[in-house]
Amino acid sequence: AQSVSQHNHHVILSEAASLELGCNYSYGGTVNLFWYVQYPGQHLQLLLKYFSGDPLVKGIKGFEAEFIKSKFSFNLRKPSVQWSDTAEYFCAVISGYSTLTFGKGTMLLVSP
Amino acid sequence: NAGVTQTPKFRVLKTGQSMTLLCAQDMNHEYMYWYRQDPGMGLRLIHYSVGEGTTAKGEVPDGYNVSRLKKQNFLLGLESAAPSQTSVYFCASGRQPETQYFGPGTRLLVL
Repeated sequence: AQSVSQHNHHVILSEAASLELGCNYSYGGTVNLFWYVQYPGQHLQLLLKYFSGDPLVKGIKGFEAEFIKSKFSFNLRKPSVQWSDTAEYFCAVISGYSTLTFGKGTMLLVSP
Repeated sequence: NAGVTQTPKFRVLKTGQSMTLLCAQDMNHEYMYWYRQDPGMGLRLIHYSVGEGTTAKGEVPDGYNVSRLKKQNFLLGLESAAPSQTSVYFCASGRQPETQYFGPGTRLLVL
């Protein structure tokens, strides 16, 4: 069974700081990888996804993620965070005809 | 095009009561999912459906039942609610498992 591990449960940053959220998955075969974001009081929205091709994926709102197959990782990055990036971020993986498996989430708080 | 809608938005139940949560989508999606979200646990799949008339168990199916009688609707039932079922429930739908659109959620409190 596939599993997803997110390294940090809570991250606190000041505006303009750089962000990197770690995500590792356990499945060894072909996977599709996702980052979702949940703003306070809202539902999940897709931030970006990796299916194949260029391992550096760009998403909405200036976010990007890099797929490193040898490390089973899909870390999320943003060069300069804003207060409006305060949210919970979820990494997710799917393989074959299975279902999405989510990590436990990382709560990001950006102070102005 | 309303996307994915969930009814109700919020509900309080007493232990032992039953209720049904409704998920509706107007995008003609084959796949539909019910998740629960608990603090520090992420989203966990309860049940899912790969088409009208089909259902399958997810990671945490105990205490829940589902039905997909119509393609656009996916119902989640709690026959005898327990405090451990206090959670936020999200429905999602998609044409493929890789692409899911989430509803706004239902907050359930079981006393």
